[in-house]
Amino acid sequence: AQTVTQSQPEMSVQEAETVTLSCTYDTSESDYYLFWYKQPPSRQMILVIRQEAYKQQNATENRFSVNFQKAAKSFSLKISDSQLGDAAMYFCAYRSDTGTASKLTFGTGTRLQVTL
Amino acid sequence: GAVVSQHPSRVICKSGTSVKIECRSLDFQATTMFWYRQFPKQSLMLMATSNEGSKATYEQGVEKDKFLINHASLTLSTLTVTSAHPEDSSFYICSAQGGGYSNQPQHFGDGTRLSIL
Repeated sequence: AQTVTQSQPEMSVQEAETVTLSCTYDTSESDYYLFWYKQPPSRQMILVIRQEAYKQQNATENRFSVNFQKAAKSFSLKISDSQLGDAAMYFCAYRSDTGTASKLTFGTGTRLQVTL
Repeated sequence: GAVVSQHPSRVICKSGTSVKIECRSLDFQATTMFWYRQFPKQSLMLMATSNEGSKATYEQGVEKDKFLINHASLTLSTLTVTSAHPEDSSFYICSAQGGGYSNQPQHFGDGTRLSIL
């Protein structure tokens, strides 16, 4: 079974600064997807960014980028120019590439605080 | 973008009541829907996976007779918590995936906060 580990329960960043959230995972599969989801106090799960394991290039979405190290099974999220609206729980998630719909396995989450 | 509507957003009811939660994909056909449970300050735990027209697949430890899942159409899945008790109080979230291929993203509903008195 796959596992996802987020070793930082809480992180804090000043507005306009950069912060990196860590995520490691364990799998024996070669094809899979990795995701970062954001869950604000409203509790809605919002997809931040996704990475296909077969792609060597790191995914980027505006201020959000990842550092995907497949050999190390590491998938960190970098948030640049942090904004107050970035404050939320961030979950790293893994999904197998089975060719059909498959479940997400979530990490335990990192609570990000953004300070003035 | 793809929208998933989950209803109700909040339920408060007495112990012993059965509660139905609906999950609808509004602008796409969801061949697969997932039901998650989230305890306070914890991660999402998958309860079951449902495919349209077939029986749901439950995760280990989830009582299928307690949590009834029906996925009768490509746009609607329901979770019924039968004879709910205080320990069933939690936040329940559904997600929907279209296309039947693993490269399709999952879209989440806004969740249902269930409180059993």
